[in-house]
Amino acid sequence: ETGVTQSPTHLIKTRGQQVTLRCSSQSGHNTVSWYQQALGQGPQFIFQYYREEENGRGNFPPRFSGLQFPNYSSELNVNALELDDSALYLCASSLPAEPYGYTFGSGTRLTVV
Amino acid sequence: QKEVEQDPGPLSVPEGAIVSLNCTYSNSAFQYFMWYRQYSRKGPELLMYTYSSGNKEDGRFTAQVDKSSKYISLFIRDSQPSDSATYLCAMSARNNDMRFGAGTRLTVKP
Repeated sequence: ETGVTQSPTHLIKTRGQQVTLRCSSQSGHNTVSWYQQALGQGPQFIFQYYREEENGRGNFPPRFSGLQFPNYSSELNVNALELDDSALYLCASSLPAEPYGYTFGSGTRLTVV
Repeated sequence: QKEVEQDPGPLSVPEGAIVSLNCTYSNSAFQYFMWYRQYSRKGPELLMYTYSSGNKEDGRFTAQVDKSSKYISLFIRDSQPSDSATYLCAMSARNNDMRFGAGTRLTVKP
C-alpha cells in the first residue's frame, strides 16, 4: 500500500485529556516525522523517529511524545491537552537519504474544547 | 524574526498569469529548499526541491535559490485554476528538522 495514512481524521477532546494519533508510513519509508499546523500557519516540527528511536525534536514540551513500531508505523501522544493544541497534526514519512522526499498524510484535525 | 518568512497573501491572479512566490530565511545552515502545495483539508505535497543554490525547472514550475541573499522563489507559468492552493516553502539543514514558511494562499481565476 502506498501513501501515508493517518487516523482518526477528526477528533474533539476536552482540555486536560490525553490523545493518541496514529500514522502508517509509506511502504519502504523508515523515517517518520510529526508536524503541528495551526490554522493559517505553516507546519511546525514536533519530532522525528528513525528505526524506533527519536532522531530530533522541535520546540515542543515533553507532554508531546511519540513511538515508532518495527513496521515503521507511529503514534503521537499528547497529555494534558490545552486549548492551543487545537491544530492539524501531520505525519510525514521519508528515507534518511532523501531529506526532500517527505510524503505527508492528510492529517488529523484535533479540536480541544 | 522568524527563521523562515513567507508572505501569506492571499494572492489572486487571472488564468494564464505568471505567479511569483518567495521566501526569505535567516539560517545560513539551510541546504535543502523545497516547495510544497497544500490543498484544503489535505497534507502538503512536494512540488520541487533544490539542493544549495541554483535554478530548477519542472514543466510550468521553476524554483530558484539564492543563498547569498537567503532568498528562494517559485515561479508558475501559464497558471491554471487547478493551481489554486496554499504554497509552502520549506528548508532544512539536515533531514530531521524541516522549517516551513507560513504559506501563501493562491487563487487562479478562470
